[in-house]
Amino acid sequence: KAGVTQTPRYLIKTRGQQVTLSCSPISGHRSVSWYQQTPGQGLQFLFEYFSETQRNKGNFPGRFSGRQFSNSRSEMNVSTLELGDSALYLCASSLGRQTSYEQYFGPGTRLTVT
Amino acid sequence: AQKVTQAQTEISVVEKEDVTLDCVYETRDTTYYLFWYKQPPSGELVFLIRRNSFDEQNEISGRYSWNFQKSTSSFNFTITASQVVDSAVYFCALSGNSGGSNYKLTFGKGTLLTVNP
Repeated sequence: KAGVTQTPRYLIKTRGQQVTLSCSPISGHRSVSWYQQTPGQGLQFLFEYFSETQRNKGNFPGRFSGRQFSNSRSEMNVSTLELGDSALYLCASSLGRQTSYEQYFGPGTRLTVT
Repeated sequence: AQKVTQAQTEISVVEKEDVTLDCVYETRDTTYYLFWYKQPPSGELVFLIRRNSFDEQNEISGRYSWNFQKSTSSFNFTITASQVVDSAVYFCALSGNSGGSNYKLTFGKGTLLTVNP
């Protein structure tokens, strides 16, 4: 089975711009979760989508949003980028809800905001 | 609120030494899950183990073993006869039903393990 794929792998944006990241889960997985990883804050949960519905959300401002399509693929969007948004964004998929099932992670998208 | 503490920020050992990574958690939930993930230098997190709160049995998988103790709220991870390929950041994570009907997953800050030849 193909693993979780994320595109793009690297991205450089300037402050104020917006960005959209994409995640394709493992076939058959219905849950997609997003995480932000930074050296200072570690791994922080952004949100989880299950069956096209956002089921849970972390403590991030409304500039961070996402969606899930009927084929379980997911996108996350960050508007009005700030320098502090520079991070590795990880997507993970699981058969069921993220907190009861093991997750399989993608390689991440490294976002740099200048 | 739930919390996961990995007090060891970095550990360095010599190959073939045994090493234990500590994980202490806090939760008010009676039903919860604990996980360990490994993040090698390549960056992709890899699932290692899941344990639910009702199963305190220790688990061994090859050179890896896990010790779950509810009495001390700990879920420690031991690597026996460490190898250079074990070098990675290891994360402990906790999920529970805090503050509502949805489960939340919380990661610890991670422990960077370096195994030297």
